[in-house]
Amino acid sequence: DTGVSQNPRHKITKRGQNVTFRCDPISEHNRLYWYRQTLGQGPEFLTYFQNEAQLEKSRLLSDRFSAERPKGSFSTLEIQRTEQGDSAMYLCASGRASTDTQYFGPGTRLTVL
Amino acid sequence: AQKVTQAQTEISVVEKEDVTLDCVYETRDTTYYLFWYKQPPSGELVFLIRRNSFDEQNEISGRYSWNFQKSTSSFNFTITASQVVDSAVYFCALSESNLYTGGGNKLTFGTGTQLKVEL
Repeated sequence: DTGVSQNPRHKITKRGQNVTFRCDPISEHNRLYWYRQTLGQGPEFLTYFQNEAQLEKSRLLSDRFSAERPKGSFSTLEIQRTEQGDSAMYLCASGRASTDTQYFGPGTRLTVL
Repeated sequence: AQKVTQAQTEISVVEKEDVTLDCVYETRDTTYYLFWYKQPPSGELVFLIRRNSFDEQNEISGRYSWNFQKSTSSFNFTITASQVVDSAVYFCALSESNLYTGGGNKLTFGTGTQLKVEL
């Protein structure tokens, strides 16, 4: 059972640029979640999918953020016109709909200069 | 709204000491799940345990044990005979169970407790 994978692991970008992150969940999991974690804080929920349907989005997810899961497998999170406040660790997790345990990937650390 | 409070920001112990990490939660729902995750310096969150709101039995797994008390809305985590490898940030989290979508809802995390185990 391979775990959740995320790419890239690190991303440094300049303010105003667009960035895209990818998450590959555990293969039999149909739930996929995105969280953001800043230094010294716990992860905060951004959005989640069941298969390809995006079921909930947090108010933290501004218009500059968009997430997709086109075929119900991997997901992408795009941030447009990045701001310094977007600097954080972006975590992806997956789980089965019938259980409530979410398994996390290693995260993508974004630094906006 | 859900809330998880981990009042201990940082705890330092000497190896082989027992240590308890506190977690207090708030929720209006009667059906919910509680979790503990470990985040070592590498950054990946590692699942430790899940408890549902109807199961107040304490659980022991090796050196780890968990005490769930609904009366005080607490879900505390004890490490017995701590080891240097236990050094990490530990997060408590809460998930409400959605009867319509079959569970698997978002997690609300506490701010974490940094545990340092020294020789």
